[in-house]
Amino acid sequence: ETGVTQTPRHLVMGMTNKKSLKCEQHLGHNAMYWYKQSAKKPLELMFVYSLEERVENNSVPSRFSPECPNSSHLFLHLHTLQPEDSALYLCASSQVSGSVDEQFFGPGTRLTVL
Amino acid sequence: GNSVTQMEGPVTLSEEAFLTINCTYTATGYPSLFWYVQYPGEGLQLLLKATKADDKGSNKGFEATYRKETTSFHLEKGSVQVSDSAVYFCALPGGGKFQFGAGTQVVVTP
Repeated sequence: ETGVTQTPRHLVMGMTNKKSLKCEQHLGHNAMYWYKQSAKKPLELMFVYSLEERVENNSVPSRFSPECPNSSHLFLHLHTLQPEDSALYLCASSQVSGSVDEQFFGPGTRLTVL
Repeated sequence: GNSVTQMEGPVTLSEEAFLTINCTYTATGYPSLFWYVQYPGEGLQLLLKATKADDKGSNKGFEATYRKETTSFHLEKGSVQVSDSAVYFCALPGGGKFQFGAGTQVVVTP
């Protein structure tokens, strides 16, 4: 059983909708990550949070807005998305940011933008 | 910066066949090396890792040896099963984050 959960598992939204993805980790980790996984592309790191502070933002469009209210929860707020934003969004956590130890991944949210 | 290159897929093979997925890396120093696996409909999970040169990581019948001479960390399994069908990612830390390879899809047929 994974220590990182994500909801919803599937999401279909129109370009004018606003929705949020939720991630929760039960591992006591201090760092959390959002990744985008598109077909036929490498995994893209979007955001990194360490102790609830954003430490990295890899030139992600502003229509994606992360929020980390505490070290166990991470959100990705979505608004005015484009069809090319359709992808699997993966959340991960690790003991510390930049850790050389493994990252633990959630099952992902499959997002479809119509 | 640190990076990995892994062979493209898909790799299709029959049950009980031998599997090799090539991974080479570029790194400053000798970072730990990892293989992650992603089964259909799931997130990535750690398959195995090696923390220093000449170390061999192993798990679920898979093995990979950290070779600094050839800067490689190839993944091998002697006899694959249908349940090994998945996407495999080579990875290493660098720049405060993980660098993942593009992933290699493996399809095992009965």
